[in-house]
Amino acid sequence: KQEVTQIPAALSVPEGENLVLNCSFTDSAIYNLQWFRQDPGKGLTSLLLIQSSQREQTSGRLNASLDKSSGRSTLYIAASQPGDSATYLCAAGSGGSNYKLTFGKGTLLTVNP
Amino acid sequence: DAGITQSPRHKVTETGTPVTLRCHQTENHRYMYWYRQDPGHGLRLIHYSYGVKDTDKGEVSDGYSVSRSKTEDFLLTLESATSSQTSVYFCAIRPGSTDTQYFGPGTRLTVL
Repeated sequence: KQEVTQIPAALSVPEGENLVLNCSFTDSAIYNLQWFRQDPGKGLTSLLLIQSSQREQTSGRLNASLDKSSGRSTLYIAASQPGDSATYLCAAGSGGSNYKLTFGKGTLLTVNP
Repeated sequence: DAGITQSPRHKVTETGTPVTLRCHQTENHRYMYWYRQDPGHGLRLIHYSYGVKDTDKGEVSDGYSVSRSKTEDFLLTLESATSSQTSVYFCAIRPGSTDTQYFGPGTRLTVL
């Protein structure tokens, strides 16, 4: 059974700082890895998806990396802004026709002005 | 905007009553999912569907049933609600051309 862990559970940084969020998974036979953002009281918004054959994906100030062999993914946020404050979740995707996601519990990020 | 709506958005009910939550999409995507989100547990998959009348169980399916008679609607039913089913329920869709999932706004269910 796939298990996904995110450390730290909460992180507070000053505006402008670069930061890294960590995600680890127990079964390295993942199909892909996704990062989501969740604002309070809202649904999830997809940020980045990394296929198992890829090492990283970038979107604006966000960069996600994937190391299947070590069971780890990181989300790097450059030049953080108060608007980046949210909960960030990673999810490991299983393969096949019955594609499913296993989520971590998330990291609550607060960027202080 | 993936065109996903959930209804109701909030519901309070009593233990033992049946409850049905609705997820509606406007894009006719094949795959639909129901999750619950609880403090300390994160998001957990309840049931999912890969087509009309094609559904399967997820990680926490006990006490829940689903139906999908039309592409655009995926219903989640609690046959006899219990306090342990108090949660926020999210629906998600996945276009067949991508693995990205798009989430609805959620339904907050309280079972007294």
